[in-house]
Amino acid sequence: SQQGEEDPQALSIQEGENATMNCSYKTSINNLQWYRQNSGRGLVHLILIRSNEREKHSGRLRVTLDTSKKSSSLLITASRAADTASYFCATVSDTGRRALTFGSGTRLQVQP
Amino acid sequence: DSGVTQTPKHLITATGQRVTLRCSPRSGDLSVYWYQQSLDQGLQFLIQYYNGEERAKGNILERFSAQQFPDLHSELNLSSLELGDSALYFCASSVAGQVSNTGELFFGEGSRLTVL
Repeated sequence: SQQGEEDPQALSIQEGENATMNCSYKTSINNLQWYRQNSGRGLVHLILIRSNEREKHSGRLRVTLDTSKKSSSLLITASRAADTASYFCATVSDTGRRALTFGSGTRLQVQP
Repeated sequence: DSGVTQTPKHLITATGQRVTLRCSPRSGDLSVYWYQQSLDQGLQFLIQYYNGEERAKGNILERFSAQQFPDLHSELNLSSLELGDSALYFCASSVAGQVSNTGELFFGEGSRLTVL
């Protein structure tokens, strides 16, 4: 079963525009992570935000976390064609099985 | 390059057969995780090993089994294969045993299994 659900499922933008992806999850968490996957390749970690943090930046990435709404967003600014990929949020529950559980992903297409 | 090595990259087999997927974690990483990625189920956590011991279990079928060896490489065994087992199987590794402590996972490039 999926812990997180990303929204939208697919997103198509022009180069230079910003891309925003949202993630909702169900249980209380220890941390939330975002990963990127190029088509058919392995996942690459982008950024981690802990449950006591509200916002984090890394280069052109900005992640927010709202634990009261059980949601997170990933913003990619000034997108490039090379950002075309699927993006997944993943959570670590603070109870029960502490595995990293992935959402269903957002497919981002950046048009040059 | 994540440092995680998975073999084989591609595998085609028939229903009812058995296959073994192999994973070598990053140097120094003690935990190995197995995930299955399919179009209809998304990315599903199967099982985690830490320093040779099973640490966490997910949606792993009874037909599937895994182990981690003393040199820390891991194998995922899939038996009595069905068409629905066709998927990408990923191995990931991390330093610590608790994902909450270790942060990110490092993923291999996956083994694509096709069951005909």
